[in-house]
Amino acid sequence: QKEVEQNSGPLSVPEGAIASLNCTYSDRGSQSFFWYRQYSGKSPELIMSIYSNGDKEDGRFTAQLNKASQYVSLLIRDSQPSDSATYLCAGDVFSSGSARQLTFGSGTQLTVLP
Amino acid sequence: DGGITQSPKYLFRKEGQNVTLSCEQNLNHDAMYWYRQDPGQGLRLIYYSQIVNDFQKGDIAEGYSVSREKKESFPLTVTSAQKNPTAFYLCASKTVNSNQPQHFGDGTRLSIL
Repeated sequence: QKEVEQNSGPLSVPEGAIASLNCTYSDRGSQSFFWYRQYSGKSPELIMSIYSNGDKEDGRFTAQLNKASQYVSLLIRDSQPSDSATYLCAGDVFSSGSARQLTFGSGTQLTVLP
Repeated sequence: DGGITQSPKYLFRKEGQNVTLSCEQNLNHDAMYWYRQDPGQGLRLIYYSQIVNDFQKGDIAEGYSVSREKKESFPLTVTSAQKNPTAFYLCASKTVNSNQPQHFGDGTRLSIL
């Protein structure tokens, strides 16, 4: 099992719909999770951080964390074509048996259709 | 403005050549990181440093070397031992021993001539 795993894409949604992106992680001791947005050819840009169970809302974005089930999700409401990008989930998991490091999933490519 | 500066933006390597990618930050962060990203893939950790004059190998350190002589600077050398260096390289930094997120530079795209 990968340490941080994202649901396979690509994902397409119509403009105005809700996009739902999911991520699971293997390290039950992980405490910090992040969602980054990455446009093609660009570097990742932080859009949400979440550390506690439950929901965290910021504008059109809602991050959800469920530590018992070891999953993190990102909901994008009223999706816009400008939301079309790859979304990377990251968590502080033990990597290679050493210190806890930020580990990234392989990303989910989202396309919002006008 | 505070931030992370990576240079060059594009770099080409000849067979058998070592090349060095620059990363400078003025965010006063102690921890700095180098990642490699291949097309359609997530980020894989190459090296990281939490303090000046100290650094640790990440998951894919073979064929790479780093130094951390100054807090602001964490250059990455891609050696000739790295047989498949073509990738997008990202430098990041954060406050050490905190749950704060990493912030990224704009990246360097390395290709083989």
